[in-house]
Amino acid sequence: AQTVTQSQPEMSVQEAETVTLSCTYDTSESNYYLFWYKQPPSRQMILVIRQEAYKQQNATENRFSVNFQKAAKSFSLKISDSQLGDTAMYFCAFTKRNNDMRFGAGTRLTVKP
Amino acid sequence: DTGVSQNPRHKITKRGQNVTFRCDPISEHNRLYWYRQTLGQGPEFLTYFQNEAQLEKSRLLSDRFSAERPKGSFSTLEIQRTEQGDSAMYLCASSLGPGQGADGYTFGSGTRLTVV
Repeated sequence: AQTVTQSQPEMSVQEAETVTLSCTYDTSESNYYLFWYKQPPSRQMILVIRQEAYKQQNATENRFSVNFQKAAKSFSLKISDSQLGDTAMYFCAFTKRNNDMRFGAGTRLTVKP
Repeated sequence: DTGVSQNPRHKITKRGQNVTFRCDPISEHNRLYWYRQTLGQGPEFLTYFQNEAQLEKSRLLSDRFSAERPKGSFSTLEIQRTEQGDSAMYLCASSLGPGQGADGYTFGSGTRLTVV
């Protein structure tokens, strides 16, 4: 079974600063997909960034980038130039070809003005 | 297409009553998923459909839970004889079919169930 671990229940960062959220996972698969989802307070979950395991290049989406270390089974999210609107729960997720995506417990990020 | 739609947004019910939730996925998405999310936790997988076929059910899905997706379009999740432990946010998501894993899921806003 695949498990996803987010070891930081809560984090905070000053506006305009950079923050990194950690995620590790456990799988015996060689091909899979990893995601970071954002869930603002009382709002729906939205996809932030995705990474395909067979791609060595780290994914980047504007201010969001990942550090994917396949051998270490690590998938961290870096948010640059943090904005107040980045305040949310962030979930790391794992799936094989869109089958039953597994989520971590989440990290609550607060961006302070 | 306005995304994944879930109704109702909130449901308060008395213990022992039955409740039914509805999810309308993105029209071109073949796969539909149900998750449960309790406060401060990540979503937990319940079940998923490929078109009208229910392909997998989690052990979390007790015999009081049943899900359907007639005609491969919208889906319903019914909980019979609700218990206080059923109180949670029920999330629906949809995605393209097999081989499209990189696309991820599109989630609805969820139905928040409170059992009193």
